[in-house]
Amino acid sequence: QVQLVQSGAEVKKPGASVKLSCTASGYNFTNYYMHWVRQAPGQGLEWMGIVYPSGSDSKYTQEFQDRVTVTRDTSTSTVYLELSRLRFDDTAVYYCARGSGYDVEYWGQGTLVIVSS
Amino acid sequence: DIQMTQSPSSLAASVGDRVTITCRASQDISIFLAWFQQRPGKAPKSLIYAASSLQRGVPSKFSGSGSGTHFTLTISNLQPEDFATYYCQQYKSYPLTFGPGTKVDIK
Repeated sequence: QVQLVQSGAEVKKPGASVKLSCTASGYNFTNYYMHWVRQAPGQGLEWMGIVYPSGSDSKYTQEFQDRVTVTRDTSTSTVYLELSRLRFDDTAVYYCARGSGYDVEYWGQGTLVIVSS
Repeated sequence: DIQMTQSPSSLAASVGDRVTITCRASQDISIFLAWFQQRPGKAPKSLIYAASSLQRGVPSKFSGSGSGTHFTLTISNLQPEDFATYYCQQYKSYPLTFGPGTKVDIK
């Protein structure tokens, strides 16, 4: 069955970077899109961006365009999201989610990122 | 960006009830609309895509309808596990956007 397993919680200082991982299993990793969605404490869902199946194309919201780097390791079916120049309001649970197209089908369990001085 | 709104923001219902949640888009999104369920402390779960198609494994008590700018999610025979927050999302154009959510509570 399709599974997305994300890395553990992180605590970072403002200005630092964080690198999150999302390891896929149960399907051909290179045939599907991968979305990133975050949720601040007590808030709704915020779509961050998408990586295309090719791995060479991606789209992010304007807020994240110059702060996000996404890489993939096809040998381990893992996607990495690195968010730089962290701010207090980046504190959130970050989800990876698989899409067959632009719609989301399966979700990872989420990674909590706390930005604190 | 396409703005998504949901109504109501919350509702209280009893086990066995049928509830309907409305989602509106600020412009025509055809049927590029998905619904998600999120229980407290859990990751979201995908329920519906293309406005009315059930994701694999989702029971038929969930149903979606609509096109253009007006959509609904209906949940029949509410059970304790259905009490959660429900989000709509448009995927017609970037950036993809979510509605603010509708919390379904036990009456």
